[in-house]
Amino acid sequence: ILNVEQSPQSLHVQEGDSTNFTCSFPSSNFYALHWYRWETAKSPEALFVMTLNGDEKKKGRISATLNTKEGYSYLYIKGSQPEDSATYLCAFDILTGGGNKLTFGTGTQLKVEL
Amino acid sequence: KAGVTQTPRYLIKTRGQQVTLSCSPISGHRSVSWYQQTPGQGLQFLFEYFSETQRNKGNFPGRFSGRQFSNSRSEMNVSTLELGDSALYLCASSLRLRETQYFGPGTRLLVL
Repeated sequence: ILNVEQSPQSLHVQEGDSTNFTCSFPSSNFYALHWYRWETAKSPEALFVMTLNGDEKKKGRISATLNTKEGYSYLYIKGSQPEDSATYLCAFDILTGGGNKLTFGTGTQLKVEL
Repeated sequence: KAGVTQTPRYLIKTRGQQVTLSCSPISGHRSVSWYQQTPGQGLQFLFEYFSETQRNKGNFPGRFSGRQFSNSRSEMNVSTLELGDSALYLCASSLRLRETQYFGPGTRLLVL
């Protein structure tokens, strides 16, 4: 059983604050690391797919880094806005096997308050 | 392009019954994966289909099964429902294997 852990479990920040979350995953048999944002009553939305050690991805105020050697990824949100309130999920894709067998973490629930 | 659609959106069943959930992927997507989410659990992988073939299966009992049709639409079936099967069932499609998955809105199943 693969262990994908996310911390913190939940986070309350003020509008304008910058924040970051951590995703820890196995450092062996790495293929890809996915980040998703899941807003209440909506479908999970893909943010990034990261495949290379040292990779950095950016989408607006959100960015992510990847360290496959030590098995972690950070997601950063700069200048948080209320619309960033959501659960942020990471998912580990293992090298062995040919399909999309993603193992998800339990998520970090972010609440941005005015 | 239309997104991933799932029907029905909500369903109430009783223990022992069976249920079939449907997923229509984004047009052109050939891979469909199914996930279960229960309170306190992350998304748990059920199975994945590509070109009508099951490519991967998660750690779920044989009561959970699925199939994919030639138009890439997929169905999952749960037989002999148990209370613990109450969950949100999500399907996701991707153009090819191991690419970004796009999720549907889910089917919320309640087993009484």
